Order: sequence, then structure tokens, then C-alpha cells
Amino acid sequence: GENVEQHPSTLSVQEGDSAVIKCTYSDSASNYFPWYKQELGKRPQLIIDIRSNVGEKKDQRIAVTLNKTAKHFSLHITETQPEDSAVYFCAARNNQGGKLIFGQGTELSVKP
Amino acid sequence: GAVVSQHPSWVICKSGTSVKIECRSLDFQATTMFWYRQFPKQSLMLMATSNEGSKATYEQGVEKDKFLINHASLTLSTLTVTSAHPEDSSFYICSARGSTGGAYQPQHFGDGTRLSIL
Repeated sequence: GENVEQHPSTLSVQEGDSAVIKCTYSDSASNYFPWYKQELGKRPQLIIDIRSNVGEKKDQRIAVTLNKTAKHFSLHITETQPEDSAVYFCAARNNQGGKLIFGQGTELSVKP
Repeated sequence: GAVVSQHPSWVICKSGTSVKIECRSLDFQATTMFWYRQFPKQSLMLMATSNEGSKATYEQGVEKDKFLINHASLTLSTLTVTSAHPEDSSFYICSARGSTGGAYQPQHFGDGTRLSIL
């Protein structure tokens, strides 16, 4: 069945450094890839998404890249700040507009 | 825009009680709503998908008679945990997706309901 693998499970960086989180998906029909940030006890918040017809998308310090051939997509956060500390989830959805398949999550810790 | 409201945020009740959780899309019409369950330090586990006016589609292993879902309007879906037991204690989150944008329509989440069964 559909599967999304996410790595690493935990990531610790110094403030100002970059952070990269990687995901791979199994369903070649996937065409929509959102990323969510979830702070402890709160809702997952959509931070950026990318469609399958785009290779890269950037929004200020956040960027996402997509390699359809390899079925990889990655989240890049530059100039990290302590408030970036949270759990980040990647997800994939197929072209039938069905359910989101989530990765396992990455706990990002940004140390001041 | 795209606000999803979920109530209650916290429920503590005795074993055997039924608990209803409401999920509302405040500024858009949600043709599809999703219900997730999340255990501490784990990912979101999809329980069921509901489309307005039709029966919910449950994921494998989720008891439909235990977790009753109603999506009676384009802005409201409810999840009722019937005869709840301690093992049903968890964080339940709803999510909603509008009808415009087709396959690329973003999905937005409610604040979640922390359910504790004593």
C-alpha cells in the first residue's frame, strides 16, 4: 500500500544553522506534498506544500524540493530559530485527491 | 482563512460514557473531513474519511460501531466515541478540505481533543 518514510526522526541544530528533513513516498500517483509543523499539544499547521509539476518552492526561510523520478521530497529550513523547534510531518496525496499519507515525523530542536 | 474549529479541547470522563467531538469549518465549505488519532510522539493515524451526506469510510482496524461519524452538513462533522474505555484515551484531531482546487486542495486541522477515560 501507500507509504511515506521520513528521516531523521530527531534533529538537533544550533540557532542559525540549516535543517533538512527528507521523505520518500511509494505511490507513483502522488501529486501533492504538504509539510506540517506541530508544536506540543497543538494542531498540525500547514507551512508549505508543493505540487508534482513543480521541482522547488520557497517561502522566506522555508523551501521544499521534489524529485519525482526518485520519489523524494525534502524540507529545508535556513537560519533556524528556537521557535522553529517542533515536530514536522511530511505527507503525500495521490492524484485521485484522496487521503494524506503522513510520514513518521521529525522532532526538530533548535538550540540557542 | 481556512479555519477549522474543534470542540471540546479536553474531555475527562468515566469508562462506559459516550463522548461526542465536533469539527466545524468556519470560513469554507468542507466537502471532505478526516478524523485522526495521535498517540504521544507518534504520527497522525487516519481513522476515517467522511464526505458530506454520505457514510464515512473507515480505515482498516477501526471499528465503525465504536467510532460513529456523522457529516451532516458542509461545515460540520462529529465523531462519537461510544462506550469509551481507558484504551480509547488519546488525542483526536479532525481535518477538513474544501471543494475548490481539486487534487491540490490544502487540508487544515482543528486544535484536537484530548480524551481521557478513567
